[in-house]
Amino acid sequence: SAVISQKPSRDICQRGTSLTIQCQVDSQVTMMFWYRQQPGQSLTLIATANQGSEATYESGFVIDKFPISRPNLTFSTLTVSNMSPEDSSIYLCSVDRGQADTQYFGPGTRLTVL
Amino acid sequence: SQQGEEDPQALSIQEGENATMNCSYKTSINNLQWYRQNSGRGLVHLILIRSNEREKHSGRLRVTLDTSKKSSSLLITASRAADTASYFCATGGSNYKLTFGKGTLLTVNP
Repeated sequence: SAVISQKPSRDICQRGTSLTIQCQVDSQVTMMFWYRQQPGQSLTLIATANQGSEATYESGFVIDKFPISRPNLTFSTLTVSNMSPEDSSIYLCSVDRGQADTQYFGPGTRLTVL
Repeated sequence: SQQGEEDPQALSIQEGENATMNCSYKTSINNLQWYRQNSGRGLVHLILIRSNEREKHSGRLRVTLDTSKKSSSLLITASRAADTASYFCATGGSNYKLTFGKGTLLTVNP
């Protein structure tokens, strides 16, 4: 398995501000993913972040709203920009270590936008 | 859009009973995975079953996969109060992306 940490674990933010979420892995991984889980809902993939290339966004998600960095093989950040209450969600990062396609998830960041 | 649909959406049982959750999906897959989430925390990977497998066991968990019906089931035997959580199926394709179902909320009463 992989040990994944996220910072912050939770935050309460004001409308119009931005928040950067960090994801740190205990070993080098090629593929990292960012998901959003809206209240009471399932997980939706935001983007795939591979080191050395631009993030690939899913339909309905754009780089201006969710810029992602992937500076090395153990770290990634997701920024939620110009937040509105609709962005209140849990944001989770995950990694694929190439072990039978299993993805391992971080503990999540619970974001509340007022 | 969601690939998997779990059934039931919620399940309440007594400790010691078995719990069965089902998942249906729409497109071809490479694998299907089951995850557990406690109270809005991170997801814990339970088990992965590949498209060429029909059944897999891990401890008290038994997973079946029927690719002709595009469905899977997760059986938890001898349930415990600590099994109370949301359970999600996720389908994996050739691009390493996972598509999650809506989940089943399992409550195990002591």
